[in-house]
Amino acid sequence: EVHLVETGGGLIQPGGSLILSCAASGFTVSSNHMSWVRQAPGTGLEWVSVLYSDGNIVYADSVKGRFTISRDSSKNTLYLQVNSLRAEDTAVYYCVTDVGFFDSWGQGTVVTVSS
Amino acid sequence: DIQMTQSPSSLSASVGDRVTITCRASQAIAGSLAWYQQKPGKVPKPLIYAASALQSGVPSRFSGSGSETDYTLTISSLQPEDVATYYCQDYKGASRSFGRGTKVEIK
Repeated sequence: EVHLVETGGGLIQPGGSLILSCAASGFTVSSNHMSWVRQAPGTGLEWVSVLYSDGNIVYADSVKGRFTISRDSSKNTLYLQVNSLRAEDTAVYYCVTDVGFFDSWGQGTVVTVSS
Repeated sequence: DIQMTQSPSSLSASVGDRVTITCRASQAIAGSLAWYQQKPGKVPKPLIYAASALQSGVPSRFSGSGSETDYTLTISSLQPEDVATYYCQDYKGASRSFGRGTKVEIK
């Protein structure tokens, strides 16, 4: 069974950085496409980034140059480094398996950007 | 980037009613469309992919249709447990855009 557990969220000041982690079980992260999706409080869903199984990466324009997606095959874990954080980055960040659509979701980790 | 326009933004219907939600893509997406259900306080759950394929375990009262730029999610007989926000999402090529959501309530 696919299981995704995100960690690393928290309260961070504007301009700060965090590393979000997504520990996977039941499948191999490096053999699958993986994405991050976020949801700001009371709003809709926003796709953030995809890391393809072949290593190619695509980012949403809203995070390009500030966020970095990566994976560690030895730990079967997906990461999202989030830098230069802004108030509008406040959201629940979900790790998802990506088959074009998002078929498995973690419970999410909350990032709050505030001074 | 592909833009997804979803309507209505909210609706209220009676138990047993037929409910229809639409999503229009800014360009043809060749059926690369999914629908999600998000109940209050819960994680989104995929309902339909490839415009009309039902995800495993999803009740048959949910159905999807459409092609090119116009897509529809239908609930044939609304149930109390269907209270949720529904999102469409395109996945043509590298694009992964969500609609703004439709909040469904019971009248």
